Amino acid sequence: EDQVTQSPEALRLQEGESSSLNCSYTVSGLRGLFWYRQDPGKGPEFLFTLYSAGEEKEKERLKATLTKKESFLHITAPKPEDSATYLCAVHFSGGYNKLIFGAGTRLAVHP
Amino acid sequence: ETGVTQSPTHLIKTRGQQVTLRCSSQSGHNTVSWYQQALGQGPQFIFQYYREEENGRGNFPPRFSGLQFPNYSSELNVNALELDDSALYLCASNAGEPYNEQFFGPGTRLTVL
Repeated sequence: EDQVTQSPEALRLQEGESSSLNCSYTVSGLRGLFWYRQDPGKGPEFLFTLYSAGEEKEKERLKATLTKKESFLHITAPKPEDSATYLCAVHFSGGYNKLIFGAGTRLAVHP
Repeated sequence: ETGVTQSPTHLIKTRGQQVTLRCSSQSGHNTVSWYQQALGQGPQFIFQYYREEENGRGNFPPRFSGLQFPNYSSELNVNALELDDSALYLCASNAGEPYNEQFFGPGTRLTVL
């Protein structure tokens, strides 16, 4: 079964304490993996797209990496404004353009 | 540049009723996707429209239907509402490839009583 799993479900960090969020997937024919940020009561905000194993993308304190079975979102020296839910989504061949989201990781960064 | 907008913001319906949600895509975007997001869950893909044609569908029953207009705005219609249909309904638009960078609207919060 095509599936996207994110871990941990929730993460609490102190300001400046770096960490990583994980997104593992079991789909055939990955066409793209996407990371989004979602603030409470708002729609998701696009962060990154990764297409092939070994690819990396960076934006400010965030860096996304991709392997054949999983992706990591590394957060370096986080600030309280990085607190949000981070969602991972996968587009795959044979899924008739279906995009599968994980349940997300709720990140709280405390000063 | 105007972003993705959705209307209404909130909606309360009773079981068995029908509802129509609306989405205006970002300028220049010809692809619109709809998602259902239950509390504490990730968005679930409902369907996608590309140049007025359905271009993909998730595991939702036929009572969930959609439409895309020549200006690329879109509607989501849900018939025979059930309690489990209560959720945040998100619309996202993008240009070109099915899943280029998508821009999401703020969503419509639907409550079914």
